[in-house]
Amino acid sequence: IAGITQAPTSQILAAGRRMTLRCTQDMRHNAMYWYRQDLGLGLRLIHYSNTAGTTGKGEVPDGYSVSRANTDDFPLTLASAVPSQTSVYFCASSDLGSGGENEQFFGPGTRLTVL
Amino acid sequence: GQNIDQPTEMTATEGAIVQINCTYQTSGFNGLFWYQQHAGEAPTFLSYNVLDGLEEKGRFSSFLSRSKGYSYLLLKELQMKDSASYLCAASDSNYQLIWGAGTKLIIKP
Repeated sequence: IAGITQAPTSQILAAGRRMTLRCTQDMRHNAMYWYRQDLGLGLRLIHYSNTAGTTGKGEVPDGYSVSRANTDDFPLTLASAVPSQTSVYFCASSDLGSGGENEQFFGPGTRLTVL
Repeated sequence: GQNIDQPTEMTATEGAIVQINCTYQTSGFNGLFWYQQHAGEAPTFLSYNVLDGLEEKGRFSSFLSRSKGYSYLLLKELQMKDSASYLCAASDSNYQLIWGAGTKLIIKP
């Protein structure tokens, strides 16, 4: 059982290029999230999905898009990368609404550099 | 607005006790989380409080006061492996987590 996997682990990208970060979970969690983490700042929510087929915007959605075609996968796409999108990206999932603690489980992260 | 405040950095000695404080303001409240994050790694869940009081888990304890918008994480018998960042996050009315910037804890021998 892998939990949450992300790919690639790291990437250097030229500005203006399109890039998709992949995220897959095998815990059958209904909710999934994409965050970016920058030095000195907390985790910032980019987009989220509370269930397959639905998505929502987080705190910093501009320049990013997501889709949730099924329960397991939640790809994040940068349509035209800019240097300010250089960051570490974390995907997370949780069992939202189950009545439990709803803690989020994180993938290992993708370190993205846009030049 | 929604806001989480925690100290940027703390230093403690191996074997000692350290308390990391967190204050929060959120639209609605559905609990307070603490996560640990080692450098270059993903955050991992440590604790969750939704009712006032202290929750103990081995060397780690977490406290919550909802009326004061305040929580702390208490780490006892510090070990070198506890050197990490500790992230405080509050769950708002939509069950979204609002994150603090993290407290970097440095443990000295």
